[in-house]
Amino acid sequence: GNSVTQMEGPVTLSEEAFLTINCTYTATGYPSLFWYVQYPGEGLQLLLKATKADDKGSNKGFEATYRKETTSFHLEKGSVQVSDSAVYFCALRNTGNQFYFGTGTSLTVIP
Amino acid sequence: KAGVTQTPRYLIKTRGQQVTLSCSPISGHRSVSWYQQTPGQGLQFLFEYFSETQRNKGNFPGRFSGRQFSNSRSEMNVSTLELGDSALYLCASSPRLAGGPEETQYFGPGTRLLVL
Repeated sequence: GNSVTQMEGPVTLSEEAFLTINCTYTATGYPSLFWYVQYPGEGLQLLLKATKADDKGSNKGFEATYRKETTSFHLEKGSVQVSDSAVYFCALRNTGNQFYFGTGTSLTVIP
Repeated sequence: KAGVTQTPRYLIKTRGQQVTLSCSPISGHRSVSWYQQTPGQGLQFLFEYFSETQRNKGNFPGRFSGRQFSNSRSEMNVSTLELGDSALYLCASSPRLAGGPEETQYFGPGTRLLVL
């Protein structure tokens, strides 16, 4: 089957700290992988994506690399800001065009 | 280009009632998907519509139904509401159903439903 597992939150970091949010997946075939971000009171926004193995998605200082051998798509940022405080969702889209989301990881960045 | 819009943004209903939520996709997008978001379960896929036809369906009871109109706008209906239906209902649109690997979904702000 298809599923996404991401690290439990909440995560609290100081400003300028390094961020890693782990995400692993199970899928048949070759899925596309996504990170979405949800700011308080808003809907989900696409943060970055990768569509094949070894692709690196990047946006706003965030990066994630599609690792087929470890079935992972970990989200990283070198220096977080207070404005990065949000809930982050890892997701996959399988070859049947269905999306599966992780349960979300809440990030709070303190000044 | 305007984003995905959902109405209403907030709704309070009582058990046993029914509710209809509306979603207008991004102009030109033909696929609309619905998700239920709760703190305990995260995002769960309800169904997807494309060209007025339901193409994919998640594991929800028949009380949850939807439809799509010729202008791609979609409605979701929940009948005989239960307390557990309290959630944020998100709508997402994408250009095509069977899109290539570059396809993604664009989400609306959601409708927050509270069932008392």
